[in-house]
Amino acid sequence: QVQLVQSGAEVKRPGASVKVSCKAFGYTFIDRYIHWVRQAPGQGLDWMGRIDPNSGVTEYAEKFQGRVTMTTDTSAKTAYMELSGLTSDDTDFYYCARGYTWPDKDTFDLWGQGTMVTVS
Amino acid sequence: EIQMTQSPYSLGASVGDRVIITCRASQDIRNYLAWFQQKPGKAPKSLIYGASSLLTGVPWKFRGSGSGTDFTLTIDSLQPEDFATYYCQQYYAYPLTFGGGTKVDI
Repeated sequence: QVQLVQSGAEVKRPGASVKVSCKAFGYTFIDRYIHWVRQAPGQGLDWMGRIDPNSGVTEYAEKFQGRVTMTTDTSAKTAYMELSGLTSDDTDFYYCARGYTWPDKDTFDLWGQGTMVTVS
Repeated sequence: EIQMTQSPYSLGASVGDRVIITCRASQDIRNYLAWFQQKPGKAPKSLIYGASSLLTGVPWKFRGSGSGTDFTLTIDSLQPEDFATYYCQQYYAYPLTFGGGTKVDI
């Protein structure tokens, strides 16, 4: 079954870092971008960045530059998003999403179930 | 950064209704526009890409149209499972940006 499965909820102290994983099943992992999107409870969607698992090339939203690192382990078919310098404003749901095919690789056709990160 | 503006913010509808949601981009994004549905406590679900192309498995009742700066999502014959929040997203340029969402409730 084609799916993205994310790691479980996290509680972190202010100033700490969090690393969320996203494991891919049922498709060729290196063929599609992995995007990360976050959402405050009850609020809208905010794109953080994306990684091309085939090359490791990343594109980050400017607001997260310097604080976010996206990586992949292609042998494990897993993508990771690490966010450092956490504040209470980073208390959100974090989603990974699979990029669609070219020329629409910067939209999404499959989402992970989400990971709640609480900073307190 | 391209701003995406959705309207209305929310709307009330009944089963069987047709609803129309609009999304406006702050600059020309050609047809690099997608739509998503999100239900409470769930991850978003992708519906449409390229402004009007349905993803596999998405019912024909969802129709997207538009190009340039103005886009619409039409949902025909609203059913109980369609009550949700809908988001548009532009992917013409980085950073990718979303509209603020339109909540469709009973």
